[in-house]
Amino acid sequence: KAGVTQTPRYLIKTRGQQVTLSCSPISGHRSVSWYQQTPGQGLQFLFEYFSETQRNKGNFPGRFSGRQFSNSRSEMNVSTLELGDSALYLCASSLDRGTLSSYNEQFFGPGTRLTVL
Amino acid sequence: KNEVEQSPQNLTAQEGEFITINCSYSVGISALHWLQQHPGGGIVSLFMLSSGKKKHGRLIATINIQEKHSSLHITASHPRDSAVYICAVRARAYNTDKLIFGTGTRLQVFP
Repeated sequence: KAGVTQTPRYLIKTRGQQVTLSCSPISGHRSVSWYQQTPGQGLQFLFEYFSETQRNKGNFPGRFSGRQFSNSRSEMNVSTLELGDSALYLCASSLDRGTLSSYNEQFFGPGTRLTVL
Repeated sequence: KNEVEQSPQNLTAQEGEFITINCSYSVGISALHWLQQHPGGGIVSLFMLSSGKKKHGRLIATINIQEKHSSLHITASHPRDSAVYICAVRARAYNTDKLIFGTGTRLQVFP
């Protein structure tokens, strides 16, 4: 079974530009979460999608947005890039049976390393 | 104060040593993850646990829900164990997979 894939793996942009990152979850997984990792702040939760709906959002400005498609693939977009947006962006998927008692292991993708110049 | 605290931040060991990394959290959780990240690499989930103890090869993870504490043990450490180990908790809330992360423990094992 293929793991979580993310594209592109590396990206260089300049300040003010926008960027779209893509995540394909493990087949059958319906929940996709996005995280940002920086040397200063560590790993931080961006947002979480389940069945095409944003279920949870972290404390990031509105320049960060995302969506999920009917095949569970997800994209995140960052507009008006700032230098501080340089980071490793990680996507994780889980099976999530949608019940209160389910605690779902998350499987992480390799990440997209974004550099903003 | 962070909701998830790890100690130590950095750890150096000689090959063969027994290693313990600790994680304390202040929120109610439904599950706790131990993750491994190699330099420049992605993240691998080592364990997900909500009670008791789990073992996989040379790795052992324990959790004490009452004390809000978890430990990751590596027996007979090896240089290939050198990585950052991250504790992450899933808050006890309905309908969310959101993880809250510790700052990580950087482990270096020398031959």
